[in-house]
Amino acid sequence: KQEVTQIPAALSVPEGENLVLNCSFTDSAIYNLQWFRQDPGKGLTSLLLIQSSQREQTSGRLNASLDKSSGRSTLYIAASQPGDSATYLCAALNAGGTSYGKLTFGQGTILTVHP
Amino acid sequence: DAGITQSPRHKVTETGTPVTLRCHQTENHRYMYWYRQDPGHGLRLIHYSYGVKDTDKGEVSDGYSVSRSKTEDFLLTLESATSSQTSVYFCAISDLGGQGNSPLHFGNGTRLTVT
Repeated sequence: KQEVTQIPAALSVPEGENLVLNCSFTDSAIYNLQWFRQDPGKGLTSLLLIQSSQREQTSGRLNASLDKSSGRSTLYIAASQPGDSATYLCAALNAGGTSYGKLTFGQGTILTVHP
Repeated sequence: DAGITQSPRHKVTETGTPVTLRCHQTENHRYMYWYRQDPGHGLRLIHYSYGVKDTDKGEVSDGYSVSRSKTEDFLLTLESATSSQTSVYFCAISDLGGQGNSPLHFGNGTRLTVT
């Protein structure tokens, strides 16, 4: 059964810092790895999707990498801003096992960027 | 935001009563999902649909049923609500089931409290 873990559970940084959020998964049989952002009281917003054949994806100040063989993905946020404060979740789309075709989510990293 | 509307946004109900949550989409996407989000458990899949009248169970389907009679609507029913079903419920949609380059899009959630 796929398990997705996100470290750290919470992170507080001053504005302007570059930061890295980590996501690990136990089963490398995945179609893709997705990163989402969740603001309080809201749904999830898709940030980046990395297909299993890709190594990274970039969108603005966000860069996500994927190392399928080691079961790891990282989300890099450059020049953080207070507006980046939110919960960040990663999810693996499973390509095998009992969770085939379904997303398994990590529990998220709560990011606070203070001015 | 993707055209996803969840109703109601908030509901308080008593143990033992039936409850129906509605998800309506305007994107004509084939796949629709119901998740619940709880502290310490993250997001867990309840049921999903891959077409009109085509549904299947997720990892936490006990006590829930779904129906999809039209492409745009996906209903989640708690047959006899219990306190353990107090949660935030999210609907999500996808045109390709999340494979390839098609991320999930989420609604803003329904906060359900069972007293």
